[in-house]
Amino acid sequence: VLTQSPGTLSLSPGERATLSCRASQTVTFKYVAWYQQKPGQAPRLLIYGSSSRATGVPDRFSGSGSGTDFTLTISRLEPEDFAVYYCQQYGSSPWTFGQGTRLEIK
Amino acid sequence: QVQLVQSGGGVVQPGRSLRLSCTASGFTFQNYAMHWVRQAPGKGLEWVAIIAHDGGNKNYADSVKGRFTISRDNSKNTLYLQMNSLRTEDMAVYFCARSPGWAQYYFDLWGQGALVTVSS
Repeated sequence: VLTQSPGTLSLSPGERATLSCRASQTVTFKYVAWYQQKPGQAPRLLIYGSSSRATGVPDRFSGSGSGTDFTLTISRLEPEDFAVYYCQQYGSSPWTFGQGTRLEIK
Repeated sequence: QVQLVQSGGGVVQPGRSLRLSCTASGFTFQNYAMHWVRQAPGKGLEWVAIIAHDGGNKNYADSVKGRFTISRDNSKNTLYLQMNSLRTEDMAVYFCARSPGWAQYYFDLWGQGALVTVSS
């Protein structure tokens, strides 16, 4: 089970966002990915392998963590960053997602 | 253009069947494992099924095992999800998604989604 916190994060453009994803057991090989989803759209891959940015993802997005605790950091929020973010573990089947963190404009 | 284009969603009564399709373009479809992921209205993401690049291996979430069948036709660059004995709890947007490589079961390319409504 992956538990994301907080459920909702209210911040202003330019601020730093820190999103947490905690697993109920160790995630093998740091196999955690992060996705961004905007209303009516498919998710977009941001981070894989805990800390590798996907192609085309701005460097203000970074991932870190190991074991059971993982973090997505957005260094300086842009208006287009306000969305829902999901973590996913792919270390063991069934591959599971966290419940999501909604990042909203304060 | 690298993309996955879905079709086949719609409204269906409980207990009936529906088939979803996902057609790939812009990449060598037969080289990739493919998945279905769903999202119930207002809810999070749930992985549903995987099929290996050659169709040889398949796996399912417990919630759909025995009712859903994932398949692919590499000659048509198309992925399918046959959904039988549909339940109201299966109502969701269904996404097809690509995994980039062996044991790398994250999703680097997604279809646009297809809404499946299960209602009498």
